[in-house]
Amino acid sequence: AQTVTQSQPEMSVQEAETVTLSCTYDTSESNYYLFWYKQPPSRQMILVIRQEAYKQQNATENRFSVNFQKAAKSFSLKISDSQLGDTAMYFCAFYYLTNSGYALNFGKGTSLLVTP
Amino acid sequence: NAGVTQTPKFRVLKTGQSMTLLCAQDMNHEYMYWYRQDPGMGLRLIHYSVGEGTTAKGEVPDGYNVSRLKKQNFLLGLESAAPSQTSVYFCASSYSFGQLNTGELFFGEGSRLTVL
Repeated sequence: AQTVTQSQPEMSVQEAETVTLSCTYDTSESNYYLFWYKQPPSRQMILVIRQEAYKQQNATENRFSVNFQKAAKSFSLKISDSQLGDTAMYFCAFYYLTNSGYALNFGKGTSLLVTP
Repeated sequence: NAGVTQTPKFRVLKTGQSMTLLCAQDMNHEYMYWYRQDPGMGLRLIHYSVGEGTTAKGEVPDGYNVSRLKKQNFLLGLESAAPSQTSVYFCASSYSFGQLNTGELFFGEGSRLTVL
């Protein structure tokens, strides 16, 4: 099974500070994608950042960057210059090929609170 | 652009009743997914479809059935609802794997189902 583990149920950070959310995954696949999704109180699922497993370079999207360690099966999200609008649930997700096509498995999420 | 639309947004059922959740997408996506979200559990995949007329089981398929008779629609059915099926249900869609597929899923706004 392709499992995703987020070991931090809740985190808090002050505005303008940097925070790192952890994610590990278990797979025997060599080709896959990893994602971070954000779910604000509105409940809408929003893609934050994507990483292709075959790429060694870590993905970056503005204030969001990842530290992808393929051998360690680790995929952490760093949020720089945290803003109040970053308050949300953050889900790490693993996209992989099954016998029936591609599927996306999520971790249990990390609730991030950004305080003034 | 409607994107992914779920109907209904809210529903209350009694144990043993049946109902169908409808998901419609207007992006010509091949892949469609149904997830359930429960507190502390993240999003868990129920069933998915990689094209019209196809369906596949996800992580938690028991108690649910699905159909994909038209490419744009993916129906999730509960034949005999149980309190354990009280949850928020999310539909998502994506392109099939290939040139256009970045792996990103596009989500609906969710449907809150309560089974008494």
